[in-house]
Amino acid sequence: DAKTTQPPSMDCAEGRAANLPCNHSTISGNEYVYWYRQIHSQGPQYIIHGLKNNETNEMASLIITEDRKSSTLILPHATLRDTAVYYCIVRASNEKLTFGTGTRLTIIP
Amino acid sequence: DTAVSQTPKYLVTQMGNDKSIKCEQNLGHDTMYWYKQDSKKFLKIMFSYNNKELIINETVPNRFSPKSPDKAHLNLHINSLELGDSAVYFCASGGTDSFEQYFGPGTRLTVT
Repeated sequence: DAKTTQPPSMDCAEGRAANLPCNHSTISGNEYVYWYRQIHSQGPQYIIHGLKNNETNEMASLIITEDRKSSTLILPHATLRDTAVYYCIVRASNEKLTFGTGTRLTIIP
Repeated sequence: DTAVSQTPKYLVTQMGNDKSIKCEQNLGHDTMYWYKQDSKKFLKIMFSYNNKELIINETVPNRFSPKSPDKAHLNLHINSLELGDSAVYFCASGGTDSFEQYFGPGTRLTVT
């Protein structure tokens, strides 16, 4: 029941910015956009979330389009340790997290 | 300073057995969760507890019973294990007003 669409895989050169797209055309006004990632064999890790405005933290930036129907997660300087599956999730604050299939990001040395 | 811990990390057992997985969080969060990740890597929520009260109970066989003795612990007991129960089980916690969930390292359950 994931409400998002992501490309199944992407590659990015080490040191470059990784831009991961996500479509969420049916997002509701009270739903936030979340990004989590799962490095091989580990538990998912929260990255960032946003509602309308672009957000930035120490891990990444989140760019949300004005109509909120899509967003992009940006890892500004990708390292090999950023190789993981990245999940884009839309969720209202009192709802459960529903993980889709995500994007498998591979950082190429 | 492990935030969310699970034991055991690996669990191999035979069909029909009963087993438990333990989870503890030291983050002071009110809400704890159990997720299941199957062999195809789909990650699905199973249960959610808030202050020891069951909040979310997805379509999970009643062989699975969560137990929350206190706010910091949420254990998962599984009766009459089946082959299809083989998966990685993740515990997570989150604050009532927090947008983040913190996941444990997972327990890989193999039923033979």
